[in-house]
Amino acid sequence: GAVVSQHPSWVICKSGTSVKIECRSLDFQATTMFWYRQFPKQSLMLMATSNEGSKATYEQGVEKDKFLINHASLTLSTLTVTSAHPEDSSFYICSAEPGHTTEAFFGQGTRLTVV
Amino acid sequence: EDQVTQSPEALRLQEGESSSLNCSYTVSGLRGLFWYRQDPGKGPEFLFTLYSAGEEKEKERLKATLTKKESFLHITAPKPEDSATYLCAVRAYGQNFVFGPGTRLSVLP
Repeated sequence: GAVVSQHPSWVICKSGTSVKIECRSLDFQATTMFWYRQFPKQSLMLMATSNEGSKATYEQGVEKDKFLINHASLTLSTLTVTSAHPEDSSFYICSAEPGHTTEAFFGQGTRLTVV
Repeated sequence: EDQVTQSPEALRLQEGESSSLNCSYTVSGLRGLFWYRQDPGKGPEFLFTLYSAGEEKEKERLKATLTKKESFLHITAPKPEDSATYLCAVRAYGQNFVFGPGTRLSVLP
């Protein structure tokens, strides 16, 4: 149980285009989903927290107009990187929290490369 | 402010050589301390949650313990497949996860 699926696992896009990353909880309903960014050999940096049906809460320094988060249902959250630039290239990871536990479970991650 | 540090930054072990990873933390009102394993290019995989000092949990060759200031992840007779980065995180009530920088473990055959 507690499986989180993230898609795509990797994507290459041209500078100036937008990219959407999906995060699905497959066998539980996620009251809260988290989006992280991870640089090489560094730990996870929380970007935003999203709750189903409400606006995401962004961490300080994260541009909400650049990283659009939609938590449309209890099993799906999406992160859209708008007008991507090479500096947005990174490893993006989502996690989902079942309402009845303290743990969060992670997706496989998405490697974004902007050329 | 909640903080998590981990040591060592990197650890190389021979197969079968037991050791421990340390996670030191400061948090106001601990809701849980979490251990995850992360393989290169993958998302973290959940290992354990510890809730209170004195608690211990085991899974195969791994054993996690918790005190009021730190947690240890003991690895007994490790195998090469145990090579990964081990992440520690804490969560206070009403707060999000705070992750440590991780320990990169390499187990040599």
